[in-house]
Parts: sequence; C-alpha cells; structure tokens
Amino acid sequence: AQTVTQSQPEMSVQEAETVTLSCTYDTSENNYYLFWYKQPPSRQMILVIRQEAYKQQNATENRFSVNFQKAAKSFSLKISDSQLGDTAMYFCAFTQIIQGAQKLVFGQGTRLTINP
Amino acid sequence: SQTIHQWPATLVQPVGSPLSLECTVEGTSNPNLYWYRQAAGRGLQLLFYSVGIGQISSEVPQNLSASRPQDRQFILSSKKLLLSDSGFYLCAWSHGGPGETQYFGPGTRLLVL
Repeated sequence: AQTVTQSQPEMSVQEAETVTLSCTYDTSENNYYLFWYKQPPSRQMILVIRQEAYKQQNATENRFSVNFQKAAKSFSLKISDSQLGDTAMYFCAFTQIIQGAQKLVFGQGTRLTINP
Repeated sequence: SQTIHQWPATLVQPVGSPLSLECTVEGTSNPNLYWYRQAAGRGLQLLFYSVGIGQISSEVPQNLSASRPQDRQFILSSKKLLLSDSGFYLCAWSHGGPGETQYFGPGTRLLVL
C-alpha cells in the first residue's frame, strides 16, 4: 500500500526559530512527486513546496526548504525564521498516477503553532 | 490566472436528505478535477476524479456520486445523506500530465444531523 507517515502530530516553536517537520512515505513507484501543503484555520489547502523525485537537488521556496532522501523515502520540511502566519496544519503528500489523473496520498498532518 | 470556487461554504442537512455540492474552475480549460473529503483532524481522502467531461472515476465505494456536466464544473451528490457523510469537502484542479500541482478550492463544511 502507498502510505505517508507524519510522526509528529503537534509541534510548537517560538517566532523566528527554525522548525523541521518529518515525513516518510512508502511507494513502489520510481517516478513520483512530493508536496507539502499548508492548511491554516480557514481550512483552505495551500501549496508550500513541490519536489520531483527524479531530482536530487532539494527544492526551496523562500523560507521553506525540503530535505529529500529518496533511498530512505524521507521528505522533511524546514521552515526558517518562522512567523506567526506559519501557524497551520501541514500535510505531506505524494502523487500516485491513476488512469491519466493523479491521486494525492496525504499524511495525517502536523499541527504547527508559532508562539510570539 | 486560475480560480476555483466551491459552494455552499457551509451546509447543515438532515439524515436522508439529498446533497449537491458544486465546484467550478475559471481561467483554464480541460482541467483534471478532484473531490476530497477531510474528516476532523485528519488528512484528505480522494473520493472522485475526472479527466474530462462525463468521465468520472471513484476511489472509494460510498453513498456519494459525482458528475461533470461541463468542462470546468464538478458536482458531488447524494440521494440520501448518512451521518457518516459529515465532513469537509474539498474540490481541486490540476493540469493534465504527471506531477502537476493540485490547487484546492475553499471547501464546503457539511454537517449531517
């Protein structure tokens, strides 16, 4: 079965600190894509960062970066200089190709709180 | 730019009543469309997806159905709601092709009483 595991249900850090959210996944595919989505209290899902599995270089988006370890099937998210607006649920996901469409397989999420 | 709309935002329905949730996408053509459900405090579960008008695939057998009457319109329906249908329903779209990012709508909060 294709699964995503986020082992940290909740995390809390002080503003301006750096925080790393963990994610591991299990897939038999060789070519796939990985994502981190953020869900603030409004509950809208917002893309944070995307990584192609065939690329060794880790993706970065401003204060957000990933540590992608393909052999270990690990895809952690690092948030630098955390801000109050980063408070949200964070979901790790990877794509499974199904009949021309893409199924996103999600983890259970990590609730991140940034304290002032 | 592309925009995705969902309505209603919130819905409270009695058990046994019908359901119709609508999702529309603007600013793109022939998108892939998806319906997800999120239970409280959980991740998202894919319910249906569509790669074209009239083409619907179901991921999970359930009390719900989906239809795509127009290129950028995706509808989630039920003839008789169950208590277990309560949840947060999210519509998403993507371009076709591998690895394309899915973009989500604002969601509909459904409470079945």
